[in-house]
Parts: sequence; C-alpha cells; structure tokens
Amino acid sequence: QQQVKQSPQSLIVQKGGISIINCAYENTAFDYFPWYQQFPGKGPALLIAIRPDVSEKKEGRFTISFNKSAKQFSLHIMDSQPGDSATYFCAASSYSSASKIIFGSGTRLSIRP
Amino acid sequence: GAVVSQHPSWVICKSGTSVKIECRSLDFQATTMFWYRQFPKQSLMLMATSNEGSKATYEQGVEKDKFLINHASLTLSTLTVTSAHPEDSSFYICSARDIPGGSNEKLFFGSGTQLSVL
Repeated sequence: QQQVKQSPQSLIVQKGGISIINCAYENTAFDYFPWYQQFPGKGPALLIAIRPDVSEKKEGRFTISFNKSAKQFSLHIMDSQPGDSATYFCAASSYSSASKIIFGSGTRLSIRP
Repeated sequence: GAVVSQHPSWVICKSGTSVKIECRSLDFQATTMFWYRQFPKQSLMLMATSNEGSKATYEQGVEKDKFLINHASLTLSTLTVTSAHPEDSSFYICSARDIPGGSNEKLFFGSGTQLSVL
C-alpha cells in the first residue's frame, strides 16, 4: 500500500516532442505528489509538485495531471529538449512533515536531437 | 532555494575501513534529515531518518551498527559507514527539511556521495 508504481522504465523522445511519464499509488492518505529530476552523479531536485485538490498544475513546459479517483498522476514535458535528458522520479507522501516520501522506480528519459 | 551541501562527492576506500559522509544545510536549520542509498539505475531507498539531538530511526533491514548516523546540530548530520565492504559501494544521498515541522514541500537534497569500496 506504500508503493508508487512508475512507468515506463525508460523513454526516448524526439526533440520538440512531448514526454509523458505515469505513476500510480495505492495509499489514499497520500496528499502530496512531487516529481524529481536527477542528473547522473547528482542528487534529485524538485521539479514540480501537486496536491489532490487540483487536477492539473503547469509550470513552464512541465505539467502534472492528477486523477484522484484513479489514483494516478503523470508528468508531461512539452517541447522536450536534450537538456531534459535525465532520470525522473515520481513520489508521494503526506503533506505533513511527519511522513516519509515514497519514490517511484524512476524513468530514464533521453531526448534525441 | 535552500542549499544542502554533501561532502565528499566521491570517496574510494579499502575494505574494512570506515568512511564518514557529511550533510550540511547551508542557509536553514534542519531538524530532520534523511539518508538514502541508490544503486545504479535504481530508485532512492530510505535508510534512516535523523532528528537533531535524538537517535536516528532506521528503516527495516538497515544495520544501525554499520551505518552510524549522528545529527548533533541543526545544520549537520553525518553518516559513517563502518567496516566498509565492497557490497556497501553505492551512491548515498542526504536530504534536509527546512522549517521545523515544515511540509515535504521544503525538502531539499544533497548532491550525493559515490562510495567505492575496494
């Protein structure tokens, strides 16, 4: 019940295309859903996050779509660029500080020039 | 944004020696820090939660006597891998939470330490 399932494991997208990464969770107590971006040899960095009171959040080229009834959320990267090539992790937790963040398994994204 | 500094960024050591990794919050006080382990092409695995001035809480399966965590101040937590062996080779990452009792929105990660045990 604590798992966050992420797919696909790897993704190749042409420059300018849309990259889509999907995640599903089971624990209905989760109310904070961040996405992290990690470059090789570096720690993850928060990219964008959403709470379940909204169905979509957009920040620049990055959009989170959230489906509370299906317990699914996804990351869309519009106009994908080679610099977006990285590993992306979805995660889930309670918004409160008492909760641990549960990470998905990660998606290795490669943007072809 | 808040900065978490992790040092060293990489370390090579001989089997049987101990290695200390430092995690510092540079511009905020972190009452809670987390330590993760990440194998190549895998996700982050939480090892322990470190609260300033108290004993760390270890996740199931993590040996507390092997991975010693000290959080002696509001800006510094250390992870010591004792009697390291090749199987301990991994990427270790810390994170720190800004604001006492703050939400997970204020969670920031260090840049990681690559440990290689020969």
